[in-house]
Parts: sequence; C-alpha cells; structure tokens
Amino acid sequence: GENVEQHPSTLSVQEGDSAVIKCTYSDSASNYFPWYKQELGKRPQLIIDIRSNVGEKKDQRIAVTLNKTAKHFSLHITETQPEDSAVYFCASRNYQLIWGAGTKLIIKP
Amino acid sequence: GAGVSQSPRYKVAKRGQDVALRCDPISGHVSLFWYQQALGQGPEFLTYFQNEAQLDKSGLPSDRFFAERPEGSVSTLKIQRTQQEDSAVYLCASSATSAASNEQFFGPGTRLTVL
Repeated sequence: GENVEQHPSTLSVQEGDSAVIKCTYSDSASNYFPWYKQELGKRPQLIIDIRSNVGEKKDQRIAVTLNKTAKHFSLHITETQPEDSAVYFCASRNYQLIWGAGTKLIIKP
Repeated sequence: GAGVSQSPRYKVAKRGQDVALRCDPISGHVSLFWYQQALGQGPEFLTYFQNEAQLDKSGLPSDRFFAERPEGSVSTLKIQRTQQEDSAVYLCASSATSAASNEQFFGPGTRLTVL
C-alpha cells in the first residue's frame, strides 16, 4: 500500500542552526503534503503545507520543498529556537493522510 | 470558534470491555477522519466519512472496530472486546470539504488504555 518514509527519526541541532527533515512518498496520486508539529501529549498542529502544483513554499522561518518527479519533500527550519523542539510529521494526501513515522527535533541551547 | 472536540479525553478499560469514543467535528465540515496513534509513532488512518457515508474503512484493524456518523456531524468510534494492543491515542480530524487539499483539523484525542 501507500507509505511515507521520513528521516531522520531524531535530529539534534544547536539553537540558531537550521534543521532539515526529509520525506519520500509512494502514491503518485498524492497532491497535498502537509507538515504537522506535535508537542508531547497534544494534538498535531499544521505548520505548513504544499500542493502538488508548487515546488517551494516559505512562511517566516519554515519552508517546504517538493520534488514530484522524485517523490521527495522536505521541511526546512532556519534559526531554530527552543520552542521548535517537538515531533514533526510529514504526510501525503490523496484524500486520507498517510503519515511518516515522525522526527523528534531537539534544540540544544 | 470551536474546534474539533473529543470525549472522553482519557479512558481506561479492562480487557474485554466495550468502549465508545466520541468526536464532534467543526460545524459544517463535510469530511471526518479517525486515526490511531500508538506511543512514539505517527497516526495511522482508520476510517473516513463524507457526511454520513463511510467511504473508506480499510484502516480498521479488525471487525471489533466500528465507526458511525449517522447524521453527518458527530461520529462515534466503537471498539468491542478491547485488547491490550488497542491501547493508543485515537485522533479525530475534520475538513471543510472533500477536496484533498483541505486542511484537516485535529481534536485533542482520546487516550485509551486497556489493562
């Protein structure tokens, strides 16, 4: 069936540095790619998304890139801050969300 | 405005008990999804409703799981004869239309613990 692979599973970066999380998907029909941030014990919160007709999208310190040919998409966080520490999930969507396994992002002060 | 709500927030059940989990989506949202999130893992799709119609239940792990949305608004996920492997957070999400690019808004989840 369809799946989404996400790497790395854990990412530790120094405060102020950049963080990159990468995902690949298998369903060619997927046309929507959201990224969610989930803090411990809380619901997933959408932080940025990209549609299949766009290659890149940026919102302040967060950007997402999409390569439909290679079925890759990535999340870039610049100037990381302690409050960025959380688990980040990528997903692809035809109509239901297919989720990656998550990346635990740790920001070291 | 009100977001997606779920009740109860926490449920402890003895193995073999039946449980019912409730989801109140955002008013007027057409699509409703149930996901299961085991500890330390990403959510996994269970089932999808468009209004009152259950269009996809391929993610339900066994016939002990049943979901309904009889009037196209509130949905209930029922688990019969609960097993320890059913312990997880059950997330409900709704989106305004059936379009794939519509954002899904998540409820806080129900944490089910089966003893």
